[in-house]
Amino acid sequence: ETGVTQSPTHLIKTRGQQVTLRCSSQSGHNTVSWYQQALGQGPQFIFQYYREEENGRGNFPPRFSGLQFPNYSSELNVNALELDDSALYLCASSLDYGYEQYFGAGTRRSVL
Amino acid sequence: GIQVEQSPPDLILQEGANSTLRCNFSDSVNNLQWFHQNPWGQLINLFYIPSGTKQNGRLSATTVATERYSLLYISSSQTTDSGVYFCAVERLGGSEKLVFGKGTKLTVNP
Repeated sequence: ETGVTQSPTHLIKTRGQQVTLRCSSQSGHNTVSWYQQALGQGPQFIFQYYREEENGRGNFPPRFSGLQFPNYSSELNVNALELDDSALYLCASSLDYGYEQYFGAGTRRSVL
Repeated sequence: GIQVEQSPPDLILQEGANSTLRCNFSDSVNNLQWFHQNPWGQLINLFYIPSGTKQNGRLSATTVATERYSLLYISSSQTTDSGVYFCAVERLGGSEKLVFGKGTKLTVNP
């Protein structure tokens, strides 16, 4: 158990819809990161939040956005879903940036 | 950005065999982690090892930061070791947090 929980576990959406994924970090962890993992690939970094401020972003378009809340929860929002957005979405928390990251079990999202 | 290469891409072993997985990276790092991804997608932390050597049961890892590589050793492999092993690094001051390699898919046959 990593202490990082994600919801929902599975999600099916149609192209053009909007979606919100949620993550609850370990208590005391100030940093949360989100990753996208396509089938057969390694996870790709989307963005990181540190104490509710964005602290780094990967090569993802602005329709991928996030929030981090003071209660160690966070959200990943994706607008105008595309077929290529079908993937496993992983959330990870760490005590601070640069420290060991612990991953949740992920949300498997399909876009039809 | 930083590049991470893992080898071999695929590895098939008989139960009881030993193996070495390699991770090469292209820049100095302040974070290096090894993960095992199970069939359900959960990434399980194996080691946090930006430098030095660590051991945990049948697993051990060594990172030589000056030469930009890390090795994961699995001894006396078991069928439950099957899955994909990822190396992930973070460059000090880099905008990308944890850049993953493509993984090594390990299959341990009984």
